[in-house]
Formats: sequence, C-alpha cells, structure tokens
Amino acid sequence: GQSLEQPSEVTAVEGAIVQINCTYQTSGFYGLSWYQQHDGGAPTFLSYNALDGLEETGRFSSFLSRSDSYGYLLLQELQMKDSASYFCAVRNYGQNFVFGPGTRLSVLP
Amino acid sequence: DSGVTQTPKHLITATGQRVTLRCSPRSGDLSVYWYQQSLDQGLQFLIQYYNGEERAKGNILERFSAQQFPDLHSELNLSSLELGDSALYFCASSGRDRGTPDTQYFGPGTRLTVL
Repeated sequence: GQSLEQPSEVTAVEGAIVQINCTYQTSGFYGLSWYQQHDGGAPTFLSYNALDGLEETGRFSSFLSRSDSYGYLLLQELQMKDSASYFCAVRNYGQNFVFGPGTRLSVLP
Repeated sequence: DSGVTQTPKHLITATGQRVTLRCSPRSGDLSVYWYQQSLDQGLQFLIQYYNGEERAKGNILERFSAQQFPDLHSELNLSSLELGDSALYFCASSGRDRGTPDTQYFGPGTRLTVL
C-alpha cells in the first residue's frame, strides 16, 4: 500500500523558518505535491516536485529525494497568516492520489 | 477563488437518506476529483473522472457513486447515509495547465451532516 507520514504539529515564531517533513512508503509515484488548508477552508496548491531537488516559489520551497523516500516543505519569513494545516500528496502509478495526514502549523507572535 | 464551484454549501439530512453533491470544475479542466475530509482528518481520495470517464478509484464506499456529465460538471451521490458519513466533501479539478497536470484546484466544499 501507500502511506505518507508527517508530524502532526509544528510551532514557530513570526519571522522564523520552519521545515515540514513528509516521508512516504509507496511503490511508485509521479511527484510530490504540497497543499495548504486554513481552518474551514479548502486546500490550496503550494508546490510540486516531479524530480529530486529543490523547487522555490517565493517564501515557500519544497524538496524531494526519491532515494531517501523523503520530502519537505520549507517556509521562510513566517507570517501569522501561515498558520494552517499543510498536506503532502502523491499521485501513485495507479493514478490514485494519496494525501498525508497533515501538519498543523502554529505561528506565534 | 479557485474557479471550482460546489453546491450546496451545507447539507443536513437523516440516516438512511440519499443526497447528491454537485461540482463544476474550472473552465478548461477535464479532470474532476472527489475527496472526503472528516473532522480533523486528512483528505481521503474517493474517485477521479477525466472527460466523462472514470480514471481512478480510491476509498469510495459502494453506497457512494459519481459521474461526470458531457458539460464536465460532476455529481457525487451518497446513499443509505450513516452517521459516519458526516464530513466535508471536496471537489477538485485539474488539467487545463498542461505543464502541471497534477495541480488540483479545490472547491469550497460541501459540509454534510447526517443526524
């Protein structure tokens, strides 16, 4: 089967840098995606890694290492509005999308 | 605004009933996905349609069914409802942006409460 693991909660202060890890066990997938979801809201796309390495999009960066079955989302210059849940997700070779359990990020003043 | 619309926004019904959730994808997107999110849980992939055809099936119960119509809107039918079916149901779409086919755009969701 396929499963993704994430820390359940992360806390950081405004202006800091935080890394949210995603480890996975899946036989094969096309790429690793990251989504943000505020309480009561819909998930919104943040970043996608099709290949190993770092992808940078503004304050957010995402990394993938297929050999280590590992990826992470890096958030820099944290703002209060970044307080949300963050999900990693893969589309496996069976075309199914599998989402991680989510990491709740709390940004403190 | 993602461009994906879902109706209704809220739905309250009783056990044993049947409901239909509706989704209109972003203009130009051919793929529609359905997800279930229970309280404080992750997103469970239910099913994907691509241009009217079922593309992938996830953890969808036999009591649930979906279809995508020629105008690309989709409906998720939930029948013989149980208390445990109470959840947020999200629809997402993708495909218009050829460079990032896996990028999904989520609708605002339908909150289903089964009493």
